[in-house]
Formats: sequence, C-alpha cells, structure tokens
Amino acid sequence: GAGVSQTPSNKVTEKGKYVELRCDPISGHTALYWYRQSLGQGPEFLIYFQGTGAADDSGLPNDRFFAVRPEGSVSTLKIQRTERGDSAVYLCASSPSSTGSPPTEAFFGQGTRLTVV
Amino acid sequence: GENVEQHPSTLSVQEGDSAVIKCTYSDSASNYFPWYKQELGKRPQLIIDIRSNVGEKKDQRIAVTLNKTAKHFSLHITETQPEDSAVYFCAASRGFGNEKLTFGTGTRLTIIP
Repeated sequence: GAGVSQTPSNKVTEKGKYVELRCDPISGHTALYWYRQSLGQGPEFLIYFQGTGAADDSGLPNDRFFAVRPEGSVSTLKIQRTERGDSAVYLCASSPSSTGSPPTEAFFGQGTRLTVV
Repeated sequence: GENVEQHPSTLSVQEGDSAVIKCTYSDSASNYFPWYKQELGKRPQLIIDIRSNVGEKKDQRIAVTLNKTAKHFSLHITETQPEDSAVYFCAASRGFGNEKLTFGTGTRLTIIP
C-alpha cells in the first residue's frame, strides 16, 4: 500500500516492560511525526524528524521515551519501563515537506493502540 | 507554546443543515491551519487546510475561514449528510521548519437523518 503503515496495530504489555512501535512512512516523505492520542482527546505531538535527525523532540514526556529514524525512512518509537499512563493510541504521520518550505499535508497511519496492564 | 481551543465539543445537526466548528489559537507565528476528520477507530484524514495568506478557502460543501487578527478559524459544512458524522479536529503549526501540529480537543459531529 501507499499509505503510512504502523505495526503492531495493538500491543498489550505489562507495567515495567519495554515496547517498540514501528512506523513505515510514505516513500519519499522526508518529514515524520509521532503523536499520542488519548481517548476523547486530540493527537498530542511527541517528536518530529526531518530526514534522520530529530528536528523537534519537545513533546516527549520524559526520558523513558525515545525515537529513532536511522536511515531517514522507517522510525521506531521506544518506551522503557512502561506505565499504565502510557496507554494510548500512538499515531505516526509523514509529509513531503522540508525545512524552509511551506507546510504540506501530514498523512496519518492507523496507529498502534498500546495498553499497559 | 501554541494552545488551540475548539468549540463546541459536540454538535448535532439535522441532515441538510449547516454545521460550524470554531477554533482559536494563541501563537501569532502560526500560519498553517488544517482540519482533520476522524471516524471511530480510524486514522485522522485531512479534509481542508488554509494558510495565513488566505482568508477563506472552499472545497465543495466544506469551507474554512481564517481571521489572523483575532486568531481564530472556523470550519463550515453545508448540506450535511449522514457520512459527515465523525470527530473533527482543528490544528495549527508554524510550518517552514517547525512542522509540529497542535490540535484542538475535537468536535463530535452527529448528523440526524
């Protein structure tokens, strides 16, 4: 498919465990974003990559959260020592925009529903 | 940082009538304002966006207006149909290298047949 792909679609983990969430952006999109959406809320920004580098990680809630995009394509969001409050839908989005260019549409994936029990 | 407020949180409209959703933002440097539609259990999808150099934009039954002085923008849906029922989110960003979107809290729109 040509859209943004996220895996897994659902993840249940025990409190204290480590999880990795994967995002495959649309081919050729240089910008990649991670958002977190709690029930009944709008998506909340976590981190933004332009190519391989994190251009803005101001939304990461604490040092348990980390994200990488080593080759400028696939990205992995990593959460250490998960807590019940981390339960949410984690959304990834990509866009073709680059630094200095006008903003363009961000295409969202279906999200990963993370449940910490 | 940017703060986006959205009203109303829920809206019920008779089929065929119009629906209006309003948002305000706080960062005067914001210049890109997209609207997303999210159906239950699905991904947010862009329905229309507007940049700060434009005051109004229309696409068939959907229109968005922007007042930069007052820092507010609105979504207008005319001739509503049952398939318009969903949650709608407004958002704002600075763009031009600062691409993160700040979203409103959403409006649950229900179209009554």
